[in-house]
Amino acid sequence: GEDVEQSLFLSVREGDSSVINCTYTDSSSTYLYWYKQEPGAGLQLLTYIFSNMDMKQDQRLTVLLNKKDKHLSLRIADTQTGDSAIYFCAETGEGGTSYGKLTFGQGTILTVHP
Amino acid sequence: GAVVSQHPSWVICKSGTSVKIECRSLDFQATTMFWYRQFPKQSLMLMATSNEGSKATYEQGVEKDKFLINHASLTLSTLTVTSAHPEDSSFYICSARDLLQGRMGEKLFFGSGTQLSVL
Repeated sequence: GEDVEQSLFLSVREGDSSVINCTYTDSSSTYLYWYKQEPGAGLQLLTYIFSNMDMKQDQRLTVLLNKKDKHLSLRIADTQTGDSAIYFCAETGEGGTSYGKLTFGQGTILTVHP
Repeated sequence: GAVVSQHPSWVICKSGTSVKIECRSLDFQATTMFWYRQFPKQSLMLMATSNEGSKATYEQGVEKDKFLINHASLTLSTLTVTSAHPEDSSFYICSARDLLQGRMGEKLFFGSGTQLSVL
């Protein structure tokens, strides 16, 4: 089945940029997502990218997609202590009325030091 | 954006009892909802797809008799953990799909999750 892999930990200093990487195996992925989860909380959609795009920028967030290598990254500019959380990469290989079944990576724990 | 309400946020129960978790779409109709489980320090694993008015579709390895899903209306899906045991202790989270509004890619909305602890 589909597989999504992420680096488990990332530690950065406040004000620096963070880059979280993700690889996936499903070549038919249509949408790729980045979610943020704070302790004891649900999932907050940060951003997503459609598979025919290479890059998407949304304020401090930049998503890069290398479809050939099946590699996705999330860059957070000017990382703040409030960005400390677990970040999940997810993909859905299905569109249309089957859309919505997500395969998640293991999550990357981002720690931001003052 | 759309809101999905999940209740309760946390529940503690004795081994052998059943626990019901509700997932409601508050301002849209969701013909399809998804249930995930997350063990500590692990990722979210899809358990089942809940379809309004029909049987749920379970992922491989998920016991349908243990995790009963009922999607009786367009805004409510329930997950009942029957005869819960300590190994069922987990974080359960639902998502709902709003096909009518928003751009593709923005049609999935997650509940806030339920932390289940079975003693």
